[in-house]
Amino acid sequence: RKEVEQDPGPFNVPEGATVAFNCTYSNSASQSFFWYRQDCRKEPKLLMSVYSSGNEDGRFTAQLNRASQYISLLIRDSKLSDSATYLCVVNVGTGGFKTIFGAGTRLFVKA
Amino acid sequence: NAGVTQTPKFQVLKTGQSMTLQCAQDMNHEYMSWYRQDPGMGLRLIHYSVGAGITDQGEVPNGYNVSRSTTEDFPLRLLSAAPSQTSVYFCASSRMEGGGDYEQYFGPGTRLTVT
Repeated sequence: RKEVEQDPGPFNVPEGATVAFNCTYSNSASQSFFWYRQDCRKEPKLLMSVYSSGNEDGRFTAQLNRASQYISLLIRDSKLSDSATYLCVVNVGTGGFKTIFGAGTRLFVKA
Repeated sequence: NAGVTQTPKFQVLKTGQSMTLQCAQDMNHEYMSWYRQDPGMGLRLIHYSVGAGITDQGEVPNGYNVSRSTTEDFPLRLLSAAPSQTSVYFCASSRMEGGGDYEQYFGPGTRLTVT
């Protein structure tokens, strides 16, 4: 079983749709959580950090449920420019870093 | 600031050849790391470093060596290239004081093909 698992995708949605990404992690020592975005043949870039209290940045909302070891990302009013791969990322432990990436979920937003 | 730079962008090697992938950052980040990305696998950590002179193995270290003689540079060496090392390699850096809640900055990647 992978340490970080994401919906396999791809997701194909029309502009304006709401789309939800799900992620689960298996290591209870996980300390911090993120969503990264990766465009085709480009490097990953931070989209947002994820906190137990939840956080929102414009059309994007991220949630963390530590009890269920579950992370989510919601995109409202999808734009064509949201088309990308969304990576769930978990940092495990303290001190030295162990960063685990999910395999990613590809999103296609169509006009 | 150039951020994180990687060279070369593309490389083709024959089986058994060795080479070094270069990575440099100008943000004075303590933490640097190397990942490989294969289709359907996400990014997997190869080696990482928490400061000059300190390196450690990640998830998939076999066949790769690293060193960190300066804060800025973190080269990755392929000792004897194998077709299984065909992949896209990303270098990343981040701050690390106070824990692990910092953004990782990635270089543009090196696309390596081993024939």
